[in-house]
Amino acid sequence: QVQLVQSGAEVKKPGASVKVSCKASGYTFTSYDINWVRQATGQGLEWMGWMNPNSGNTGYAQKFQGRVTMTRNTSISTAYMELSSLRSEDTAVYYCARGPPIDGMDVWGQGTTVTVSS
Amino acid sequence: DIQMTQSPSTLSASVGDRVTITCRASQSISSWLAWYQQKPGKAPKLLIYKASSLESGVPSRFSGSGSGTEFTLTISSLQPDDFATYYCQLGVTFGPGTKVDIK
Repeated sequence: QVQLVQSGAEVKKPGASVKVSCKASGYTFTSYDINWVRQATGQGLEWMGWMNPNSGNTGYAQKFQGRVTMTRNTSISTAYMELSSLRSEDTAVYYCARGPPIDGMDVWGQGTTVTVSS
Repeated sequence: DIQMTQSPSTLSASVGDRVTITCRASQSISSWLAWYQQKPGKAPKLLIYKASSLESGVPSRFSGSGSGTEFTLTISSLQPDDFATYYCQLGVTFGPGTKVDIK
Protein backbone atom coordinates (compact mmCIF):
# COMPACT_ATOMS: atom_id res chain seq x y z
CA GLN A 1 0.00 0.00 0.00
CA VAL A 2 0.97 3.62 -0.42
CA GLN A 3 2.87 4.79 2.61
CA LEU A 4 5.51 7.11 3.95
CA VAL A 5 7.68 5.77 6.76
CA GLN A 6 9.76 8.22 8.78
CA SER A 7 12.88 7.78 10.85
CA GLY A 8 12.81 7.51 14.60
CA ALA A 9 12.70 10.04 17.39
CA GLU A 10 15.64 12.36 17.93
CA VAL A 11 16.97 14.28 20.92
CA LYS A 12 19.27 17.16 20.09
CA LYS A 13 21.03 19.95 21.96
CA PRO A 14 20.41 23.59 21.13
CA GLY A 15 22.49 24.69 18.17
CA ALA A 16 22.71 21.22 16.67
CA SER A 17 21.12 19.96 13.45
CA VAL A 18 18.66 17.16 12.85
CA LYS A 19 17.98 15.19 9.66
CA VAL A 20 14.70 13.32 9.34
CA SER A 21 14.06 10.79 6.60
CA CYS A 22 10.83 9.82 4.88
CA LYS A 23 10.78 6.64 2.81
CA ALA A 24 8.05 6.26 0.20
CA SER A 25 6.62 2.98 -0.99
CA GLY A 26 3.67 1.78 -3.03
CA TYR A 27 3.85 4.55 -5.62
CA THR A 28 6.31 6.28 -7.95
CA PHE A 29 8.33 8.49 -5.63
CA THR A 30 9.20 11.04 -8.30
CA SER A 31 5.58 11.64 -9.30
CA TYR A 32 4.44 13.54 -6.20
CA ASP A 33 5.75 16.46 -4.19
CA ILE A 34 6.82 15.85 -0.61
CA ASN A 35 5.92 18.42 2.04
CA TRP A 36 7.17 18.78 5.58
CA VAL A 37 4.77 19.92 8.30
CA ARG A 38 5.48 20.22 11.99
CA GLN A 39 3.34 20.32 15.11
CA ALA A 40 4.45 21.39 18.55
CA THR A 41 2.77 19.67 21.48
CA GLY A 42 -0.81 20.84 21.81
CA GLN A 43 -0.44 23.23 18.87
CA GLY A 44 -1.59 23.39 15.28
CA LEU A 45 0.01 22.37 12.02
CA GLU A 46 2.79 24.44 10.47
CA TRP A 47 3.94 23.96 6.88
CA MET A 48 7.72 24.12 6.50
CA GLY A 49 8.28 23.58 2.80
CA TRP A 50 8.04 21.26 -0.17
CA MET A 51 10.28 19.41 -2.57
CA ASN A 52 9.72 18.01 -6.02
CA PRO A 53 11.49 14.62 -5.88
CA ASN A 54 11.84 14.50 -9.65
CA SER A 55 13.66 17.80 -10.14
CA GLY A 56 14.88 18.39 -6.61
CA ASN A 57 13.30 21.83 -6.67
CA THR A 58 12.33 23.13 -3.25
CA GLY A 59 10.29 25.89 -1.67
CA TYR A 60 10.57 26.85 1.97
CA ALA A 61 8.38 28.84 4.30
CA GLN A 62 9.96 32.19 5.00
CA LYS A 63 10.18 31.37 8.69
CA PHE A 64 12.61 28.52 7.98
CA GLN A 65 14.62 30.04 5.13
CA GLY A 66 18.32 29.59 5.82
CA ARG A 67 17.77 26.86 8.44
CA VAL A 68 15.99 24.11 6.53
CA THR A 69 17.22 21.96 3.66
CA MET A 70 15.08 19.39 1.85
CA THR A 71 16.77 16.75 -0.29
CA ARG A 72 16.09 13.33 -1.71
CA ASN A 73 17.67 10.10 -2.86
CA THR A 74 15.57 8.79 -5.70
CA SER A 75 17.41 5.45 -5.79
CA ILE A 76 15.90 4.57 -2.42
CA SER A 77 12.70 6.67 -2.70
CA THR A 78 13.58 8.69 0.35
CA ALA A 79 13.17 12.35 1.16
CA TYR A 80 15.08 14.18 3.86
CA MET A 81 14.51 17.30 5.90
CA GLU A 82 17.43 18.84 7.76
CA LEU A 83 16.88 21.64 10.25
CA SER A 84 19.90 23.43 11.66
CA SER A 85 20.61 25.80 14.55
CA LEU A 86 18.00 24.04 16.64
CA ARG A 87 16.37 25.82 19.55
CA SER A 88 13.89 24.70 22.15
CA GLU A 89 11.02 26.09 20.09
CA ASP A 90 11.81 23.51 17.39
CA THR A 91 10.67 20.71 19.70
CA ALA A 92 7.80 19.18 17.75
CA VAL A 93 6.53 16.25 15.75
CA TYR A 94 7.71 16.52 12.15
CA TYR A 95 5.62 14.97 9.39
CA CYS A 96 6.28 14.35 5.73
CA ALA A 97 3.22 14.39 3.51
CA ARG A 98 2.63 13.65 -0.15
CA GLY A 99 1.16 15.93 -2.71
CA PRO A 100 1.16 19.55 -3.79
CA PRO A 101 -0.41 21.54 -0.93
CA ILE A 102 -3.11 23.03 -3.14
CA ASP A 103 -4.42 19.55 -3.96
CA GLY A 104 -4.48 18.47 -0.34
CA MET A 105 -1.82 16.23 1.18
CA ASP A 106 -3.23 12.74 0.87
CA VAL A 107 -0.59 10.49 2.43
CA TRP A 108 1.27 11.29 5.64
CA GLY A 109 4.16 9.74 7.45
CA GLN A 110 3.70 8.59 11.04
CA GLY A 111 5.64 11.57 12.39
CA THR A 112 9.07 11.96 13.97
CA THR A 113 9.42 13.53 17.39
CA VAL A 114 12.34 15.92 17.66
CA THR A 115 13.20 17.14 21.13
CA VAL A 116 15.62 20.00 21.59
CA SER A 117 16.95 20.18 25.11
CA SER A 118 20.18 20.99 26.85
CA ASP B 1 0.77 36.41 4.38
CA ILE B 2 -2.66 34.87 4.36
CA GLN B 3 -4.28 34.34 7.76
CA MET B 4 -6.78 31.60 8.49
CA THR B 5 -9.40 31.49 11.23
CA GLN B 6 -11.70 28.67 12.23
CA SER B 7 -14.88 28.80 14.25
CA PRO B 8 -15.70 27.54 16.68
CA SER B 9 -12.39 26.63 18.29
CA THR B 10 -14.13 23.94 20.30
CA LEU B 11 -17.44 22.27 19.62
CA SER B 12 -19.31 19.96 21.98
CA ALA B 13 -21.74 17.68 20.21
CA SER B 14 -23.59 14.39 20.52
CA VAL B 15 -23.64 11.34 18.29
CA GLY B 16 -26.12 11.97 15.50
CA ASP B 17 -25.76 15.75 15.56
CA ARG B 18 -25.19 17.78 12.41
CA VAL B 19 -21.93 19.68 12.82
CA THR B 20 -20.63 22.64 10.84
CA ILE B 21 -17.15 24.14 11.08
CA THR B 22 -16.29 27.41 9.35
CA CYS B 23 -12.92 28.44 7.96
CA ARG B 24 -12.21 32.01 6.87
CA ALA B 25 -9.23 33.37 4.96
CA SER B 26 -7.91 36.91 5.21
CA GLN B 27 -7.81 37.12 1.42
CA SER B 28 -9.09 35.14 -1.51
CA ILE B 29 -6.29 33.30 -3.27
CA SER B 30 -8.08 30.25 -4.59
CA SER B 31 -10.77 27.75 -3.73
CA TRP B 32 -8.25 24.99 -3.32
CA LEU B 33 -9.08 24.46 0.33
CA ALA B 34 -8.53 21.19 2.13
CA TRP B 35 -9.90 19.78 5.38
CA TYR B 36 -8.09 17.33 7.63
CA GLN B 37 -9.07 15.28 10.64
CA GLN B 38 -6.50 14.57 13.34
CA LYS B 39 -6.77 12.30 16.34
CA PRO B 40 -4.38 12.45 19.32
CA GLY B 41 -0.99 10.97 18.54
CA LYS B 42 -1.85 10.41 14.88
CA ALA B 43 -1.01 12.11 11.61
CA PRO B 44 -3.66 14.27 9.96
CA LYS B 45 -6.00 12.57 7.51
CA LEU B 46 -7.22 14.30 4.36
CA LEU B 47 -11.02 14.50 4.21
CA ILE B 48 -11.86 17.13 1.58
CA TYR B 49 -9.80 18.78 -1.16
CA LYS B 50 -10.58 21.56 -3.62
CA ALA B 51 -13.18 22.80 -1.13
CA SER B 52 -15.81 20.18 -1.89
CA SER B 53 -14.19 17.01 -3.28
CA LEU B 54 -14.40 14.01 -0.97
CA GLU B 55 -11.16 12.11 -0.59
CA SER B 56 -11.40 8.45 -1.53
CA GLY B 57 -12.49 6.26 1.36
CA VAL B 58 -13.89 9.11 3.44
CA PRO B 59 -17.50 8.58 4.57
CA SER B 60 -20.12 10.55 2.70
CA ARG B 61 -21.37 12.17 5.92
CA PHE B 62 -18.46 14.58 5.46
CA SER B 63 -18.95 17.39 2.96
CA GLY B 64 -17.28 20.67 2.15
CA SER B 65 -18.47 23.86 0.54
CA GLY B 66 -17.53 27.47 0.02
CA SER B 67 -15.36 29.70 -2.08
CA GLY B 68 -13.41 32.92 -1.91
CA THR B 69 -12.74 33.57 1.76
CA GLU B 70 -15.35 31.44 3.54
CA PHE B 71 -15.54 27.67 3.61
CA THR B 72 -17.44 25.10 5.66
CA LEU B 73 -17.00 21.49 6.65
CA THR B 74 -20.21 19.68 7.54
CA ILE B 75 -20.63 16.33 9.23
CA SER B 76 -24.23 15.34 8.57
CA SER B 77 -24.58 12.86 11.45
CA LEU B 78 -21.74 12.77 13.94
CA GLN B 79 -20.38 9.31 14.67
CA PRO B 80 -18.23 8.17 17.63
CA ASP B 81 -15.18 7.95 15.35
CA ASP B 82 -15.54 11.63 14.40
CA PHE B 83 -14.49 13.10 17.72
CA ALA B 84 -11.21 14.72 16.73
CA THR B 85 -9.60 18.01 15.76
CA TYR B 86 -10.28 19.40 12.30
CA TYR B 87 -7.98 21.70 10.35
CA CYS B 88 -8.54 23.65 7.17
CA GLN B 89 -5.67 24.46 4.83
CA LEU B 90 -5.51 27.03 2.05
CA GLY B 91 -2.34 27.14 0.00
CA VAL B 92 0.38 26.44 2.55
CA THR B 93 -1.44 27.92 5.53
CA PHE B 94 -3.37 25.89 8.06
CA GLY B 95 -6.20 27.11 10.21
CA PRO B 96 -5.80 26.89 14.00
CA GLY B 97 -8.08 23.88 14.32
CA THR B 98 -11.50 23.01 15.72
CA LYS B 99 -11.77 20.38 18.42
CA VAL B 100 -14.97 18.35 18.34
CA ASP B 101 -15.61 16.67 21.65
CA ILE B 102 -18.39 14.74 23.31
CA LYS B 103 -21.21 16.74 24.83
